[in-house]
Amino acid sequence: GESVGLHLPTLSVQEGDNSIINCAYSNSASDYFIWYKQESGKGPQFIIDIRSNMDKRQGQRVTVLLNKTVKHLSLQIAATQPGDSAVYFCAEKGANYGQNFVFGPGTRLSVLP
Amino acid sequence: NAGVTQTPKFQVLKTGQSMTLQCAQDMNHNSMYWYRQDPGMGLRLIYYSASEGTTDKGEVPNGYNVSRLNKREFSLRLESAAPSQTSVYFCASSGVPGQVGFYSNQPQHFGDGTRLSIL
Repeated sequence: GESVGLHLPTLSVQEGDNSIINCAYSNSASDYFIWYKQESGKGPQFIIDIRSNMDKRQGQRVTVLLNKTVKHLSLQIAATQPGDSAVYFCAEKGANYGQNFVFGPGTRLSVLP
Repeated sequence: NAGVTQTPKFQVLKTGQSMTLQCAQDMNHNSMYWYRQDPGMGLRLIYYSASEGTTDKGEVPNGYNVSRLNKREFSLRLESAAPSQTSVYFCASSGVPGQVGFYSNQPQHFGDGTRLSIL
């Protein structure tokens, strides 16, 4: 398998349960955030985004919550499925390099049968 | 299918060799990026091109050069490879299809990476 993702925090959930993945961000001025999913051997895949004028945004089986007070972002996955097993990471719009994104190292989600 | 295509998928080099990683996108995006991904770390920006004709350094540009060949293509060159450049390299693009200019609040779309080992 892919060596990327070594030493990452791991979240193990039972199939069918809900998953919550957390992310702390650093730039209090950031106004845009994204969650990505990365499967082994693949590139990051866009899941959902949220702008700072919102606290919550829902997609299909996923919800992103933004708490600007404590600079915290979370991704909730409802009814977790085996295909959800992957590394998930957040990205915040940074202050440098043309306001490019700063990516977190990620959390590995493991779905148990 | 529309997306970002990277070549090659795998490459092994000897220290001191040079090579160019190719990237092409067919989403009519204005902006393109090169990242490297190392174990346990977030993606780090090497270079980016906000629009055709411009390129700028990112967080870790040393040892690399880029060329924005046209709107579709953005290549990354290692002039003299070093073991510290062993990594997985990702190209990405973003923008509002068909629109000119740099839109910062747009998600980036990634290729599947080039796995590069330097001995």
